[in-house]
Amino acid sequence: GQNIDQPTEMTATEGAIVQINCTYQTSGFNGLFWYQQHAGEAPTFLSYNVLDGLEEKGRFSSFLSRSKGYSYLLLKELQMKDSASYLCAVGNYGGATNKLIFGTGTLLAVQP
Amino acid sequence: EAGVAQSPRYKIIEKRQSVAFWCNPISGHATLYWYQQILGQGPKLLIQFQNNGVVDDSQLPKDRFSAERLKGVDSTLKIQPAKLEDSAVYLCASSRPFSNEQFFGPGTRLTVL
Repeated sequence: GQNIDQPTEMTATEGAIVQINCTYQTSGFNGLFWYQQHAGEAPTFLSYNVLDGLEEKGRFSSFLSRSKGYSYLLLKELQMKDSASYLCAVGNYGGATNKLIFGTGTLLAVQP
Repeated sequence: EAGVAQSPRYKIIEKRQSVAFWCNPISGHATLYWYQQILGQGPKLLIQFQNNGVVDDSQLPKDRFSAERLKGVDSTLKIQPAKLEDSAVYLCASSRPFSNEQFFGPGTRLTVL
């Protein structure tokens, strides 16, 4: 079966660092994605990991361990506008299909 | 480049009525996806098209939901008849061939009363 787990909610302070964890179980693994979704808006792409290790992109970094089925998204120098839901998604390749399976999302609240 | 377009943005209907949503993907994106996102949950894939062919509709409730992409560009998703539990945001996304990176449209928020 396929399963993705991430915390439901997190709270952090402006200027601080927060780490959002994601664990997954899947067959046909084809990469780990993080999307940001502000309330009432569509998800927007943040990062993609297909190999183990850390990918850094500005204030955001994402880590993947395929052997542990584990990823995290690290947000540095938090800003109020970072308050959003963060969706972990696993790329799944199976025959002709190449799709994303999303977790339920982690709602991050950044406080002053 | 223009993003994924969807219409309408909002729709309110009564149960047992029919509704249709429209999506225009990014130009050149052969793969098109329809997702259902219930409040507080992640998007759930309903159907995936490669050009005008269906490659995955395993989670589409086929007794009431249908989708088509006749010319390999625009797509429509229909619900007939709607149930209360269909209240959700319906997201359309597209991607380049063999790419996992998906670009989402603004979504259609459906409320079934």
